[in-house]
Amino acid sequence: EVQLVESGGGLVQPGRSLRLSCAASGFTFDDYAMHWVRQAPGKGLEWVSGINWNSARKDYADSVKGRFTISRDNAKNSLFLQMNILRAEDTALYYCAKSREFGLTGPIDHWGQGILVTVSS
Amino acid sequence: DIQMTQSPSSLSASVGDRVTITCRASQGISDYLAWFQQKPGKVPKLLLYAASSLQSGVPSRFSGSGSGTDFTLTISSLQPEDVATYYCQKYIYAPLTFGGGTKVEIK
Repeated sequence: EVQLVESGGGLVQPGRSLRLSCAASGFTFDDYAMHWVRQAPGKGLEWVSGINWNSARKDYADSVKGRFTISRDNAKNSLFLQMNILRAEDTALYYCAKSREFGLTGPIDHWGQGILVTVSS
Repeated sequence: DIQMTQSPSSLSASVGDRVTITCRASQGISDYLAWFQQKPGKVPKLLLYAASSLQSGVPSRFSGSGSGTDFTLTISSLQPEDVATYYCQKYIYAPLTFGGGTKVEIK
């Protein structure tokens, strides 16, 4: 069974940093691309970032480009999102998500439970 | 960037009704389109990918069609457990944009 467990969220002041982690199990992690998707309270889904199977390709939403960095450690079956210069509008539930494919042109087929990030002074 | 527009933003239908949700891409995306269901307070769930391929375990009353810029999600006979918000997402290349969502309720 695919399991994706996020950690590292919490309350942070504007301008500060936070690093999210996602522990993956139940599948061959380095065979698939991975993504971060977020959902602000009461709002729709927003794709944040994706990374292909071997980290050769990384993409970002314009809203986070230059502030967020996605990475993965295939030896530890882990996905990360380093979030810098956080803004109030980054407040959301952040989901770790698995792709059906090894590249970034594949649909998401599994989601974690999400981790809440609140940016507020 | 390609924009994804869903309509309607909400709908109310009776149990047993046929429900259709539309998703329009601002440029052609071939069939690189997925549909997700998100029940209140729950994690999104993949229903369909490649515009019309049913994900394993998803009831056959869900179907999808379309290619290029216009896509539809159809629920052939609405059930109480289908109350949810439905999202389309394009994945042909980044950004993997979602539509704004369609909230489905029971009348």
